[in-house]
Amino acid sequence: KAGVTQTPRYLIKTRGQQVTLSCSPISGHRSVSWYQQTPGQGLQFLFEYFSETQRNKGNFPGRFSGRQFSNSRSEMNVSTLELGDSALYLCASSLRTSGGTGELFFGEGSRLTVL
Amino acid sequence: AQSVTQLGSHVSVSEGALVLLRCNYSSSVPPYLFWYVQYPNQGLQLLLKYTSAATLVKGINGFEAEFKKSETSFHLTKPSAHMSDAAEYFCAVSEAQAGTALIFGKGTTLSVSS
Repeated sequence: KAGVTQTPRYLIKTRGQQVTLSCSPISGHRSVSWYQQTPGQGLQFLFEYFSETQRNKGNFPGRFSGRQFSNSRSEMNVSTLELGDSALYLCASSLRTSGGTGELFFGEGSRLTVL
Repeated sequence: AQSVTQLGSHVSVSEGALVLLRCNYSSSVPPYLFWYVQYPNQGLQLLLKYTSAATLVKGINGFEAEFKKSETSFHLTKPSAHMSDAAEYFCAVSEAQAGTALIFGKGTTLSVSS
C-alpha cells in the first residue's frame, strides 16, 4: 500500500511569491491534515480536510489556505511568502472515524525555503 | 488551552540502557495521547497511542508508555536501547472533538552510543 506522497520535496521561493504544495493520501483515507514544522515553533496544526470540506483550522493567518479534491488529494497554498514561512510542511492522512482520532500517517514533507 | 511539555530536549543513552522520555500534558479531562518518532529527513511515525482503554500502552519497536492521570504524565520507555532508536520523539495530545488537530511537544532528540 503506497504511503502519503508529498510534492515537491524541496523548493526555494522569494519573499512575496506564493507556493502550492500537494499531498496524495493513502488510498481509502478521506482525511488530510497539514502541519508546519519549524525549529522555533515545532509542529503546529494548519488545517484538516475531510470529504472536500475544511473540518478544522489552526491559528495561522489567511495567507495559508488549502483545499481537497474529490479523490481526497489535497493542496495547500501560501501567498505573499514571508521569511518566517520557511519550514517543513507535513501532510498526514487518516481514516478519521467520527468522534475519535484516527492514526495519522505522515508524508516525508515539503521543505520550503523562503529567501 | 491544551499543552504538552517534554522534559529534556536531548537525551543520551548507551546501547542496551533504559530509555526514558518524559511527557506531561495539561488537561482536566484525559485526552488522547500519542508518541511519534521522526527519523532524519522523514515524516512522523506513530509509536503508540492512549485512548483510555488501558493505562499501560505497548507500541512498536519495543516501546511502551504509561498514562498516569494523577501526574498528568505519559512517559515513554524502552528497556534496552538500540542504535536504530536514535531519532526525535514527539509527544502529542488531542481532545475527542479536535479530530486530527494534535498539539505536539517540542520534541526530544534521543542519541544512542555504542
